[in-house]
Amino acid sequence: DTGVSQDPRHKITKRGQNVTFRCDPISEHNRLYWYRQTLGQGPEFLTYFQNEAQLEKSRLLSDRFSAERPKGSFSTLEIQRTEQGDSAMYLCASSLALAEGSTDTQYFGPGTRLTVL
Amino acid sequence: QQQVKQSPQSLIVQKGGISIINCAYENTAFDYFPWYQQFPGKGPALLIAIRPDVSEKKEGRFTISFNKSAKQFSLHIMDSQPGDSATYFCAAYSGAGSYQLTFGKGTKLSVIP
Repeated sequence: DTGVSQDPRHKITKRGQNVTFRCDPISEHNRLYWYRQTLGQGPEFLTYFQNEAQLEKSRLLSDRFSAERPKGSFSTLEIQRTEQGDSAMYLCASSLALAEGSTDTQYFGPGTRLTVL
Repeated sequence: QQQVKQSPQSLIVQKGGISIINCAYENTAFDYFPWYQQFPGKGPALLIAIRPDVSEKKEGRFTISFNKSAKQFSLHIMDSQPGDSATYFCAAYSGAGSYQLTFGKGTKLSVIP
């Protein structure tokens, strides 16, 4: 399978615990995005990487959230001290940008469903 | 502030009918407008996309109509099939500066036999 993969697919945790999600983008895609989707809503942008550099963060990304893409390949999203309001589907997308400012197609992974009890 | 407004929230169409979903945007910097299809428990999958220099784009049974002056665009699904039953999201994107997709709230389409 050459698509975007995410792990785990489902995560149930207790309030206050830390969780970490992993995203493996399509090979050679240089841009990687994280979105959050709650029930009945469209995905909302969280953050974006160009190679290993985190270039943009949404105001939705509180200081309890941190994302990394250490070698410009896979990425991790960590949520510290989870709250019930963090329950959502966390989606990863990747794209291949051929030039600065170019419009690129974002391909989404299957998501990680987080439930905070 | 919702930058992309999508309607209707839900849609029921008979098999063989035409499904029409509408979106309106506010930010004139948007220059790329994709539509995504999402099945329950799955991530969104790109269906079709259009740029504002084109008024219409057709791929198979799916057509996007784009009205730049009105800042509106719509998805038409011709000969709708039960397998088209899914949630559809319009989105908008600006390649100038921010690369995030801004999504509408989605339309749940049900195609009944």
